[in-house]
Amino acid sequence: AQTVTQSQPEMSVQEAETVTLSCTYDTSENNYYLFWYKQPPSRQMILVIRQEAYKQQNATENRFSVNFQKAAKSFSLKISDSQLGDTAMYFCAFMKHGTPLVFGKGTRLSVIA
Amino acid sequence: KAGVTQTPRYLIKTRGQQVTLSCSPISGHRSVSWYQQTPGQGLQFLFEYFSETQRNKGNFPGRFSGRQFSNSRSEMNVSTLELGDSALYLCASSIRQGASDTQYFGPGTRLTVL
Repeated sequence: AQTVTQSQPEMSVQEAETVTLSCTYDTSENNYYLFWYKQPPSRQMILVIRQEAYKQQNATENRFSVNFQKAAKSFSLKISDSQLGDTAMYFCAFMKHGTPLVFGKGTRLSVIA
Repeated sequence: KAGVTQTPRYLIKTRGQQVTLSCSPISGHRSVSWYQQTPGQGLQFLFEYFSETQRNKGNFPGRFSGRQFSNSRSEMNVSTLELGDSALYLCASSIRQGASDTQYFGPGTRLTVL
């Protein structure tokens, strides 16, 4: 079974600074998808970014980018120019064909003014 | 386009009762998945429905059941509620079943069992 590990339960960053959240996963599959979701205090789970494993290029969405290392099974999220609205729980998730999302335990990120 | 909606948003029940939660997917989405979120266990998959058929099921007891209607709306039911069923229940929709589709989540239903 696939597992997703987020080794940082909590992190904090100063406003306008850059922060990197770590995620590793375990799978024997070659084709799969990776996601970062954000869950602010409102509890709504919001998609931040997704990565197809067959693509070597790292995905980017505005201030959010990933560092996807397939051989190392690592999928970290970098948030640039952190904003107060980035304060949330961040979940890394894995999915292969025909199966549901498998989530990590999450990293609680606090952006400090 | 409207997002995923879930009703009710909050619910308080007592042990032994049953509860039904509702999820309306994004228009055009035919796959609906349900997840349970608790502080101790994190996010756990309950089941997935596609075209009114259950396609995947997580490791939950038979007290947890669901269904999907022809308009893709889905309901999940929990019978004989236990204290441990207190959780945030999240529904997610995607266009099709399959790894290529991103799942979009609703705001969740917060269930408290007393």
